Amino acid sequence: AQSVTQPDIHITVSEGASLELRCNYSYGATPYLFWYVQSPGQGLQLLLKYFSGDTLVQGIKGFEAEFKRSQSSFNLRKPSVHWSDAAEYFCAVGLTDSWGKLQFGAGTQVVVTP
Amino acid sequence: NAGVTQTPKFRVLKTGQSMTLLCAQDMNHEYMYWYRQDPGMGLRLIHYSVGEGTTAKGEVPDGYNVSRLKKQNFLLGLESAAPSQTSVYFCASSYVVNSPLHFGNGTRLTVT
Repeated sequence: AQSVTQPDIHITVSEGASLELRCNYSYGATPYLFWYVQSPGQGLQLLLKYFSGDTLVQGIKGFEAEFKRSQSSFNLRKPSVHWSDAAEYFCAVGLTDSWGKLQFGAGTQVVVTP
Repeated sequence: NAGVTQTPKFRVLKTGQSMTLLCAQDMNHEYMYWYRQDPGMGLRLIHYSVGEGTTAKGEVPDGYNVSRLKKQNFLLGLESAAPSQTSVYFCASSYVVNSPLHFGNGTRLTVT
């Protein structure tokens, strides 16, 4: 069955430290890949997306993600987190024949400590 | 530029009551979606629309109905609310297939 897995439900990181959020998918073909961020009480905002080409993609707010086909992964990274990065992060996957229907992971809650 | 607007923001229903959630977008997007968000489950697609006058079932459509009479509006209806429908509901829209989704700020629904 097709699936999107975010193995870490909750991550605590110190301000200024690096952050990596994991995302693995299980699909037959290379999907479209997205990372969204949700601040408390808000809707989801797109951080970055991968459709094809360069496997390292840059997004907003200093985030980047790397697509690794051999590992079926699309991990999100940030070299130095800021207190404002505290939020919930969702990986999402779409297929070319899915009429735009994205499948979302369960999310990773990021807490930033001083 | 309002983007995607959802009304209401909060609602409390009693079991068996009905209600309609309204989603409006001003970006001329063809595709619109209704998701529900529950703790530990991410977002799950309820229904979606690929254009005015069209609707289709998503992953968890039971207990919900939708209508897209105008391109800019996508309505989600609950005919007989159940406690299992307590959730946060998000509307989203996109320009074309697999283009990024634009989300509203959500509606928190509690069914007692």
